[in-house]
Formats: sequence, structure tokens, C-alpha cells
Amino acid sequence: NAGVTQTPKFQVLKTGQSMTLQCAQDMNHEYMSWYRQDPGMGLRLIHYSVGAGITDQGEVPNGYNVSRSTTEDFPLRLLSAAPSQTSVYFCASSYPGQMNTEAFFGQGTRLTVV
Amino acid sequence: AQKITQTQPGMFVQEKEAVTLDCTYDTSDPSYGLFWYKQPSSGEMIFLIYQGSYDQQNATEGRYSLNFQKARKSANLVISASQLGDSAMYFCAMRGSGNTGKLIFGQGTTLQVKP
Repeated sequence: NAGVTQTPKFQVLKTGQSMTLQCAQDMNHEYMSWYRQDPGMGLRLIHYSVGAGITDQGEVPNGYNVSRSTTEDFPLRLLSAAPSQTSVYFCASSYPGQMNTEAFFGQGTRLTVV
Repeated sequence: AQKITQTQPGMFVQEKEAVTLDCTYDTSDPSYGLFWYKQPSSGEMIFLIYQGSYDQQNATEGRYSLNFQKARKSANLVISASQLGDSAMYFCAMRGSGNTGKLIFGQGTTLQVKP
């Protein structure tokens, strides 16, 4: 089983460039989320979705857009990259319903903005 | 607002000994769940253990156990018989009521196991 797949694994962008981080899951999970991980700050929620067509902002949404047209895919768009967006990005998915359902994470995308 | 605090940036433990990683939380939700994840140097996030706010007993999963003290709002992870492969970053996380899948994470604790 593929689980949660993120592409690319590594990316270098120039300031001002735009790009899309891809996230796909094959577990038919309704819930999907994007996090960024920075040293000493843990993982912070950027955007999340509870199903196709439904998205909402997390703790640090500025500079990022998301959409959810299918259950499987949840891309994260950087509109105009800034050095402050240098980070490791994780996509996660989980089943709805029970509180104890674990979140499954992708392998992460390491993004550097120069 | 929900918050998770991990006050130990780094910890050392001798191989085969037990170690406790601290986690305190703050929430006004009556129902919530607490998770621990392991992140080895390779970067992936590995789910370890879960504790529900209404669970009567502390959760255990193999060498991992959770010391849950609800009144003190703490959910410490105990790793028994540490192994070299336990060297990693450990994150405590919380999910509130009205489950939308999102998690609130602590800052993490880096654990190094010495041979």
C-alpha cells in the first residue's frame, strides 16, 4: 500500500516563484492536513480539509492556498515563495469519526527558498 | 485554545534503561485525544501510542506506555528498556473534540540512546 505520497521530496525555489506541493492518499481518508516543521517549533497546521470541496485554515495559513477537488488529493500551493517558507512540509490523512484514529503522514517535502 | 508543551529539548538515556518524555497540555474540550509520534533521522512520522481523555487506564503498546494524569494535564511517554533504535525526535500531539483530523503538536524532544 502506498499510503500518503508527497512529491517532490526536495525542492529549491527562488524568492517570488510559485509551486505546488502534491499530496495523494489511497486509503479513502476523508480528513487531510498540511503541516510545516521548523526547528524548535514542532509541526504547525497550515490548512486542513474534512472532505472534497471543504477546506479551512490552520495556525499558519498565510502565503499558502489549498483546494480539495477529490478525496485522494490535497495539493498545497505557494503563491510567491519567501525565505520564511523554507521548511519541511508534511501532509497527513485520517479517517473521520473516532477520536483515536491515527494520522498517517507522508515522507515530507524539504523546501528551500533562496 | 489548545496547546501542547514539551519542556525537554534533548534527553539522553543509557541503553536498556527506561526514560520518560514529558508532555503537558491545555484545552477546554471535555473530550480529547493525545498522541505520541516518533520521528527518526530519516524524517518519517511514526505513530506510537494514543490516550483518550475518558480512558480509565493508561495506554500501553509494547515498550511504550503513557503516564496520563488528567488533573495535572500531563501525558508523559515512558519508554522501557531503551534501544539504540529509539534515538529520534518524539512529538506529543492533541486532537480536540469535533474531530476534524487536525492535530496540535508540541515542540518535540530529541532522545539519544547511549550504548
